Parts: sequence; C-alpha cells; structure tokens
Amino acid sequence: DQQVKQNSPSLSVQEGRISILNCDYTNSMFDYFLWYKKYPAEGPTFLISISSIKDKNEDGRFTVFLNKSAKHLSLHIVPSQPGDSAVYFCAAYAAGNKLTFGGGTRVLVKP
Amino acid sequence: NAGVTQTPKFQVLKTGQSMTLQCAQDMNHNSMYWYRQDPGMGLRLIYYSASEGTTDKGEVPNGYNVSRLNKREFSLRLESAAPSQTSVYFCASSVNRQYEQYFGPGTRLTVT
Repeated sequence: DQQVKQNSPSLSVQEGRISILNCDYTNSMFDYFLWYKKYPAEGPTFLISISSIKDKNEDGRFTVFLNKSAKHLSLHIVPSQPGDSAVYFCAAYAAGNKLTFGGGTRVLVKP
Repeated sequence: NAGVTQTPKFQVLKTGQSMTLQCAQDMNHNSMYWYRQDPGMGLRLIYYSASEGTTDKGEVPNGYNVSRLNKREFSLRLESAAPSQTSVYFCASSVNRQYEQYFGPGTRLTVT
C-alpha cells in the first residue's frame, strides 16, 4: 500500500513554461513534505520542503503547495529550464517514523 | 568535503554469492540510511542507523544485514544474493532528523 503516490510517471514541458508535479498521500500523520531531484547515475538531492503548518513554500523558481484537506501537494517550476530535466521524488515524514517516498515523475524540458 | 561516498559503483553477482556495500560520510552526521530504488517504486528503506551503535529495520530488510562501523561508516551486506535483489542501492545521511537526507551516488547491483 503506497502511502505516497505520484500518479504521473512522466511530464514533458517546453522551456520557459511551467512544470507542475503532483503528489498525493494517504497518511494523515505526515507532517513534513520534501521534494528531491535526481539526475541519471547520481543520488537524489534535496530540492525544497514544506511543513504541514504552511500551505506554500517558495525558493527561487520552485514553489511547493500543500492542501492538507485533499492530502495533496504539488511542485511548480517556473520557468522550466533544460537543466530541470530529471526525476523528481515526493517524500513525506511523520514524527518518529521513516521518510516515505513516492514513485517519482520524470520531467523532460524541451528547448 | 566528499559528502556521502559509496563503493563499488557497479557489481554483478551470481545467485548465492555474498558482498558488502560500503558507505561513508564526512559531514559528521549522526543518522545513516540504506535504500533501494526499483522502477516505479521510489526509494524504499532497507535499514537505518539513528546514531552510532544503533541499527533498525526499515521497510524491506529481508536478505540484508548492516553494520554501523563508526560514526562515518555504514555498510550493507548481502549474505546470499538473489535475483530479486537486483536494484540500485543508495546510502544517505542526515544530521539527526530524517528530514533533509544527503545521498551518495548509488551502487548498481545485478544478480544473475
């Protein structure tokens, strides 16, 4: 039973446009959410996070939105750049528990 | 600072063989983790060590053992490799919380 789901395995977007990645979760005890970015043959790198007491967190071109009532979060990348082409993992944490990852979304930004 | 390093980068094993994956971090982190990544499954936690001298099972520990050799090093051992253990293995570390984890480059393991 996957507690964190990324229902879109892939996403293709034109350079300069917005990329929107979605993530749904089922465990209401999750109180901290993270996005990781992964290039081929490299380990994941931390991108941005959000606490459950907030509904938005912004860092440069990256914004994460959290809708607790819908158990849904999204990552917006504006504007998208070719270097953003990677696999993005959503992850969630409940205090005293382990970090749970989604299956990943592969993003391709076309020049 | 090298961050998190893993050896080897690639390994091919025959069914029944054993091997140890090595991981080291130079960030003075207390917590270390071993994950496996399979297509469409995200990263699944195999074992973790919250602090030096402690280890705990994660989501998929069967077929694996770990050793927290010291604060820097955390190894993963496959005693009798099986084809189901073909995967990419990532080691990670964090200061104390399980929030921002820093990952190594991974070990691609194939068991034939």
